[in-house]
Amino acid sequence: GENVEQHPSTLSVQEGDSAVIKCTYSDSASNYFPWYKQELGKRPQLIIDIRSNVGEKKDQRIAVTLNKTAKHFSLHITETQPEDSAVYFCAAHDYKLSFGAGTTVTVRA
Amino acid sequence: GAVVSQHPSWVICKSGTSVKIECRSLDFQATTMFWYRQFPKQSLMLMATSNEGSKATYEQGVEKDKFLINHASLTLSTLTVTSAHPEDSSFYICSARLRGQGTGELFFGEGSRLTVL
Repeated sequence: GENVEQHPSTLSVQEGDSAVIKCTYSDSASNYFPWYKQELGKRPQLIIDIRSNVGEKKDQRIAVTLNKTAKHFSLHITETQPEDSAVYFCAAHDYKLSFGAGTTVTVRA
Repeated sequence: GAVVSQHPSWVICKSGTSVKIECRSLDFQATTMFWYRQFPKQSLMLMATSNEGSKATYEQGVEKDKFLINHASLTLSTLTVTSAHPEDSSFYICSARLRGQGTGELFFGEGSRLTVL
């Protein structure tokens, strides 16, 4: 089955700086890669996703890149704000959605 | 967007009792729903895939006789934790995908926090 690794586990950035989270996956059949933001005690919320036929996707301050050959994908958040503080999960879908371990992002004001 | 509603949002029960959690897709039909479990400060782990009108598919290590899943209609799936024990205390989250979409966005319920005393 799919194995998704996510780094770093924690990330502290100064407000206004960029944050980058990286994930790798093992199954070359995976074709859908969403990123979720989860606040404490709440459901995961989809913030951006990318399919395997696309290399990059951007939505305002958030961007995702995918390298199918290397089997890794990354989340980039620019101009971080305190409300970006949360746990972020990457995921990969082969026949099911498998999640990375999560990254706790803290944006310092 | 599609809405998934999950109830109850939290439940406290005594050890040995059973607890039922409901997951409803409010404005779309979901032939497949997914049940996840999340322990504190950990990731979401898929427990089982619930298929309307057929038996659920359980992930390795998940006891199907302990976590009973029923998907009787296109909008409702239930998870029953039978003979709950303190180690079953966790955050249980359901999710669903729009009917006919093999891959694509999953819509999550609010989650149910189970505490077993």
